[in-house]
Amino acid sequence: NAGVTQTPKFRVLKTGQSMTLLCAQDMNHEYMYWYRQDPGMGLRLIHYSVGEGTTAKGEVPDGYNVSRLKKQNFLLGLESAAPSQTSVYFCASSYVSQGGTEAFFGQGTRLTVV
Amino acid sequence: GIQVEQSPPDLILQEGANSTLRCNFSDSVNNLQWFHQNPWGQLINLFYIPSGTKQNGRLSATTVATERYSLLYISSSQTTDSGVYFCAVSNYGGATNKLIFGTGTLLAVQP
Repeated sequence: NAGVTQTPKFRVLKTGQSMTLLCAQDMNHEYMYWYRQDPGMGLRLIHYSVGEGTTAKGEVPDGYNVSRLKKQNFLLGLESAAPSQTSVYFCASSYVSQGGTEAFFGQGTRLTVV
Repeated sequence: GIQVEQSPPDLILQEGANSTLRCNFSDSVNNLQWFHQNPWGQLINLFYIPSGTKQNGRLSATTVATERYSLLYISSSQTTDSGVYFCAVSNYGGATNKLIFGTGTLLAVQP
């Protein structure tokens, strides 16, 4: 029972480099999310998707792009990495319910931009 | 937007002690979750509890939605309970479930 899997777990980038973080879920969830966590803070929403082929901006979207070409995958891209994007990134997914639903998180990706 | 406040910010316990963590939120919610972030950084789902009371072993949680707060109880604490406890809420219609996180309670359980 894998749940939500993030790849890679760790990465070091130089300023200006690009990379893509992959999130995969095997729970057939419609909704997927990317969050970032900075020291001493809770998680903040970067982008989210309510279904295959759809994406929307969250609280802190600048400097990131996302794609949801397949229902089970949600990709987070950094086109030109900056030191301010040093953070721990979490992906999450949840199923559809009008009453609110439980979100499940991946193990996180620790990104350092030097 | 909705504000989430957690207290206390830090807590040190001796093994075997009990504790209560509090989460206050500023608006009505349709989702409230408690998470434990362990020392390795993993976020572990503890409770999905937009209202009512739930128990899971030594942990229990109560959410009083009308008064906009939730409590997490840890009984007979163990060193493995150490880490950061987050409360997160959502009040968006259509269940987009965009969670707003508090800043957490850092718990250290000493042997």
